[in-house]
Amino acid sequence: QQQVKQSPQSLIVQKGGISIINCAYENTAFDYFPWYQQFPGKGPALLIAIRPDVSEKKEGRFTISFNKSAKQFSLHIMDSQPGDSATYFCAARINQAGTALIFGKGTTLSVSS
Amino acid sequence: DAGVIQSPRHEVTEMGQEVTLRCKPISGHDYLFWYRQTMMRGLELLIYFNNNVPIDDSGMPEDRFSAKMPNASFSTLKIQPSEPRDSAVYFCASSQQGNYGYTFGSGTRLTVV
Repeated sequence: QQQVKQSPQSLIVQKGGISIINCAYENTAFDYFPWYQQFPGKGPALLIAIRPDVSEKKEGRFTISFNKSAKQFSLHIMDSQPGDSATYFCAARINQAGTALIFGKGTTLSVSS
Repeated sequence: DAGVIQSPRHEVTEMGQEVTLRCKPISGHDYLFWYRQTMMRGLELLIYFNNNVPIDDSGMPEDRFSAKMPNASFSTLKIQPSEPRDSAVYFCASSQQGNYGYTFGSGTRLTVV
């Protein structure tokens, strides 16, 4: 119940294409769903986040879609660029003070030029 | 702000030796997290602190691992004795109460030979 399942493990997209990464969870107590981006040799960095009271959040080319009934959320990267090549992690947090983020296993995205 | 600072960046040690990883969180952040990243298991939470007090250490693999936070600006993760299966990248992250976003350090790549 504490897991966040992420797919696919790796993804290759052509420049200008749409990258889609999916995550699923079981615990309905999760109330915060961020996505982190990690470049080689660096720590993960917060990219975008959503709460379950909205179905979509967009920041530039990055969009989170959230389906509360299906307990799924996804990251869409529009007009994917080579600079987007990185590892992406979804995560979730229980609505309780003092709890930590639980991360998916990550998706390695390669955008070919 | 210099962000979360981890040292060393790389550590190579022989099996059986003691290893100490260090972390300086962002000033004013009251949560500190230690994560371990491997290809097989992704980002695993090891332990986290709130106001220098350990809150959840259930992710610490075994008694060979220990973590301390003697003050608000410093934490250590110690492995004694180290084993080859401990080889991974260890990340420290910090956050502020009420702000769900984590700031990660650049990590320590540990290799135990």
